[in-house]
Amino acid sequence: NAGVMQNPRHLVRRRGQEARLRCSPMKGHSHVYWYRQLPEEGLKFMVYLQKENIIDESGMPKERFSAEFPKEGPSILRIQQVVRGDSAAYFCASSHSGRNEKLFFGSGTQLSVL
Amino acid sequence: QQQVKQSPQSLIVQKGGISIINCAYENTAFDYFPWYQQFPGKGPALLIAIRPDVSEKKEGRFTISFNKSAKQFSLHIMDSQPGDSATYFCAAAQSGGSYIPTFGRGTSLIVHP
Repeated sequence: NAGVMQNPRHLVRRRGQEARLRCSPMKGHSHVYWYRQLPEEGLKFMVYLQKENIIDESGMPKERFSAEFPKEGPSILRIQQVVRGDSAAYFCASSHSGRNEKLFFGSGTQLSVL
Repeated sequence: QQQVKQSPQSLIVQKGGISIINCAYENTAFDYFPWYQQFPGKGPALLIAIRPDVSEKKEGRFTISFNKSAKQFSLHIMDSQPGDSATYFCAAAQSGGSYIPTFGRGTSLIVHP
């Protein structure tokens, strides 16, 4: 049973480009959470999604960031017009249901903006 | 506003010693307190968790102590081993809502052989 799969593991973008980060949850999981990790700042919640629905996006910046979790396929975190401050590790986690407290994390995508 | 405060930021312990990491929270609605362990290049993995109806939970060498009145909880790693060297995150969540864990800033633990 494969775990949470994130790709790419490393992504390099120039300022102004778009970044697309993908997350395939564990089999049978329909809840996905995105977190951003900066050195010495821990994990910051960004968005929580169920299939085809955004449940909570209170941690998402108002501009340039969007997320989706379509009926078929992986969850996508999209960052438009990236800036150097977007450089961070982005982690996706999944759970079986929103009431299941255990989150399973992927290995993350390290985004570097030049 | 940092809802979960974690200390220390880094910790160095000798093999066989006790590692202690502390966390404090503000929101009294939190009712689930997990600890995650993260190795370099990997995502965090759930290590142990506690609910406020008990004051202590032990799993092997790992123990959570919980003080509801002080709104504090801590992780104790007994007989620390070099393989325990990792970053540890405490978290807090409100299970009655949409359940979104709020994480502390993490503690980098190094256990010297």
